[in-house]
Amino acid sequence: GENVEQHPSTLSVQEGDSAVIKCTYSDSASNYFPWYKQELGKRPQLIIDIRSNVGEKKDQRIAVTLNKTAKHFSLHITETQPEDSAVYFCAALIYDKIIFGKGTRLHILP
Amino acid sequence: NAGVTQTPKFQVLKTGQSMTLQCAQDMNHNSMYWYRQDPGMGLRLIYYSASEGTTDKGEVPNGYNVSRLNKREFSLRLESAAPSQTSVYFCASRILGGMEPQHFGDGTRLSIL
Repeated sequence: GENVEQHPSTLSVQEGDSAVIKCTYSDSASNYFPWYKQELGKRPQLIIDIRSNVGEKKDQRIAVTLNKTAKHFSLHITETQPEDSAVYFCAALIYDKIIFGKGTRLHILP
Repeated sequence: NAGVTQTPKFQVLKTGQSMTLQCAQDMNHNSMYWYRQDPGMGLRLIYYSASEGTTDKGEVPNGYNVSRLNKREFSLRLESAAPSQTSVYFCASRILGGMEPQHFGDGTRLSIL
C-alpha cells in the first residue's frame, strides 16, 4: 500500500545551523509533495510544496528537493531560528489521497 | 472567509457513546478528508471524499463512518466510541485533481473515557 517514511523523528540543531529532513514514498504515481509545519496545539500549515516536474524549489530559508528516480524528497532549512522549532510533516499525493509521514520534531538550540 | 470549520473543538465521551464531528468548508473545494493525529504517529487518513457523492476508506477507517452531506460538509461519526479513538481529529479540503495543498481546520480534541 501507499507509504511515506520520514526521518529523523527528532532533530536538534544549533541556532543558525541548517536542518535537513528526509522522506521516501512508495508509489511511483505520486506527483505532488507538500511540507507542513505544526506548532503545539495548532493546525498543520503548508510551508512549501513541490510538483513532480520540478527537482528543486526554494522560498527564502526553506528549500525542497525531489529525486523521482529514488522516490525521495527532502526539506532543507538554513540559518535556523528559534521560531523554526515545531513538528514538520512531509506528505505525498497519490491520486486524490494525501498520505503523511510520521513527523519530525525540530528543536532549535540557543 | 472562514476556510475549514470544525465543530466541536473539544469533546469528552464515555465508552460506547456515539458522536458526530462536523466539518464545513467555504472554499468551493471538491475533496474533503478526515485525519486523526496521535503522538508519534503523524496524521493518518481515516476517510476521504474526492467529490460530492463519493467516499473512500483511508488508512484507518475501522470504527468510523462518514457522510458527504453536500459539497461544503463532510461529517465523521463514531457509532460506539472506544478509548483507542481518543485523538485529535483534523478535517481538510482541497481542489480535486490539482497538485494543490490541503487546507486544515483547527481540529477536534476528543477524549473517550
